[in-house]
Amino acid sequence: NAGVTQTPKFRILKIGQSMTLQCTQDMNHNYMYWYRQDPGMGLKLIYYSVGAGITDKGEVPNGYNVSRSTTEDFPLRLELAAPSQTSVYFCASSSTRPPQASSGANVLTFGAGSRLTVL
Amino acid sequence: AQKVTQAQTEISVVEKEDVTLDCVYETRDTTYYLFWYKQPPSGELVFLIRRNSFDEQNEISGRYSWNFQKSTSSFNFTITASQVVDSAVYFCALRTNAGKSTFGDGTTLTVKP
Repeated sequence: NAGVTQTPKFRILKIGQSMTLQCTQDMNHNYMYWYRQDPGMGLKLIYYSVGAGITDKGEVPNGYNVSRSTTEDFPLRLELAAPSQTSVYFCASSSTRPPQASSGANVLTFGAGSRLTVL
Repeated sequence: AQKVTQAQTEISVVEKEDVTLDCVYETRDTTYYLFWYKQPPSGELVFLIRRNSFDEQNEISGRYSWNFQKSTSSFNFTITASQVVDSAVYFCALRTNAGKSTFGDGTTLTVKP
């Protein structure tokens, strides 16, 4: 049981390049999230998904895209990287389904983070 | 719209002191969930406590306790007899019934020996 796995852990991009941050979870969680954390700041919600095929914007969606074709995977796409996207990105998941609903409902399980630098 | 405010940016205490971290939230939802997460210097995010909006009973879990007051939209978190290992950034978070989870900007706690 690996939990939430993010790749890559580190990446340096040039301005204008594109990349995809991968996120996969093996807990059969229905909800998945992408956050970014700028230095010394809190977590800002980029996109989230309440189930396969359903995604919604968070607080800071501009410059990003997501898809949720399976329950397990929730990749985050940066189309034209900009220096303002330099940040640490966290993927997270949670469940509202029994039995997790009774014991750990809605608690976010986070990946280890992906540090992205855009130069 | 929902919002979480942690007014304390940084707190410094001496080991064994009690410390309370404040959290104020805003939401129009009648059903919601409140959380505290910890981010130690290593960077991972760790769940600490959860409270449902329909349960205002305050509890103690080991050295952790929390005070949830719906009337003032506050969800404060207390660490009793702080230890150096408690040094971390603490985040308060709000999740609505629709699934959107919003975090505060965090409070950096430093516990000195």
